[in-house]
Amino acid sequence: KNQVEQSPQSLIILEGKNCTLQCNYTVSPFSNLRWYKQDTGRGPVSLTIMTFSENTKSNGRYTATLDADTKQSSLHITASQLSDSASYICVVTATYTGTASKLTFGTGTRLQVTL
Amino acid sequence: ETGVTQSPTHLIKTRGQQVTLRCSSQSGHNTVSWYQQALGQGPQFIFQYYREEENGRGNFPPRFSGLQFPNYSSELNVNALELDDSALYLCASSLIGSINSPLHFGNGTRLTVT
Repeated sequence: KNQVEQSPQSLIILEGKNCTLQCNYTVSPFSNLRWYKQDTGRGPVSLTIMTFSENTKSNGRYTATLDADTKQSSLHITASQLSDSASYICVVTATYTGTASKLTFGTGTRLQVTL
Repeated sequence: ETGVTQSPTHLIKTRGQQVTLRCSSQSGHNTVSWYQQALGQGPQFIFQYYREEENGRGNFPPRFSGLQFPNYSSELNVNALELDDSALYLCASSLIGSINSPLHFGNGTRLTVT
């Protein structure tokens, strides 16, 4: 069964501090791994997308890593801001044929950045 | 470039009724997918449409069905509503064939079944 597990479930940090969110998956055949940010009451917004051959990808203060051998990914947030308060969701895609695919979402990490 | 729009934003239905949710894809995108997100949970993949045909489905019963139209807009239909169907329903569009194409999500329809 395809699964995506994220940790921690929730996190509170002070503004300006760094943090790292974890994602472990058992999805096959693996196609790509995405990190999304979801503000309350809004749809998720893409942060990064990584394929099998990519180890790291950055988007501003967000840096994602991928270890396809251990099936682990992390999202590192540098110099956190109050606007980073949101849920961060890890999504893994399995592609079965040329176009047919299935996405498995993690339950997300709820991040709260405080003063 | 227009984003993904969903309608209605909120909806209240009674158990046993049927509901239709609508989604307009981002211009230039040819694939649409639908997700159910219960409160405090991550989205669950319902299905994906490409060229007006379903080409991927999650673990949802047949009473969840969809349509994709030639202009790439889409509908999600749910028959015989159950209380557990209460959730945020998200639509996302993308460009198939581009492995790095991100999903562009709408802000969802909040469905409450009473």
